[in-house]
Amino acid sequence: GQNIDQPTEMTATEGAIVQINCTYQTSGFNGLFWYQQHAGEAPTFLSYNVLDGLEEKGRFSSFLSRSKGYSYLLLKELQMKDSASYLCAAMDSNYQLIWGAGTKLIIKP
Amino acid sequence: GAVVSQHPSRVICKSGTSVKIECRSLDFQATTMFWYRQFPKQSLMLMATSNEGSKATYEQGVEKDKFLINHASLTLSTLTVTSAHPEDSSFYICSAMGLAGGIEAEQYFGPGTRLTVT
Repeated sequence: GQNIDQPTEMTATEGAIVQINCTYQTSGFNGLFWYQQHAGEAPTFLSYNVLDGLEEKGRFSSFLSRSKGYSYLLLKELQMKDSASYLCAAMDSNYQLIWGAGTKLIIKP
Repeated sequence: GAVVSQHPSRVICKSGTSVKIECRSLDFQATTMFWYRQFPKQSLMLMATSNEGSKATYEQGVEKDKFLINHASLTLSTLTVTSAHPEDSSFYICSAMGLAGGIEAEQYFGPGTRLTVT
């Protein structure tokens, strides 16, 4: 079956770095997406990886290893506004997104 | 980036009535639109996939006669919740996928519609 695993909740300190891991199993693979979702709002796109390696975009970076079925989202210089749920989603061969349950990130001062 | 709108943003209706939610891609043509439902503190759940001009494909467990989807054009899809019940109260989100931006497979999300059935 198709499955996405990511931690339920993480806590980090303002100004620090946090890494959110995601493992996936899908029927075919057309890329790995990370979305940020604040409570009561729709998800917003953060990153897309389809090739192995690290993609850096400002304070956020995303890594993919296709052979391991593994990705992580790295957030640097954490700010209080980064408190949100982070959703990992893998796109299968039918271009459907298979969603993880999301990781709730709590930032403490 | 590409913009997707949803209307209404919030709706309260009485049990037994029907509610229509519109999803529009404002600056690109959406070949495929997706409808999701999200209950509090849960992940997005795909309800159905619709392609312009054809019948929607519903996920297992989603009643197609209750959740009517019409994808009439490349910029508009509608979801009608018929004979709504309190358990249908949820956050409904649409997304559109088309040839916009640098990632052809990316889904652009609408802001969501919060439905409350009393």
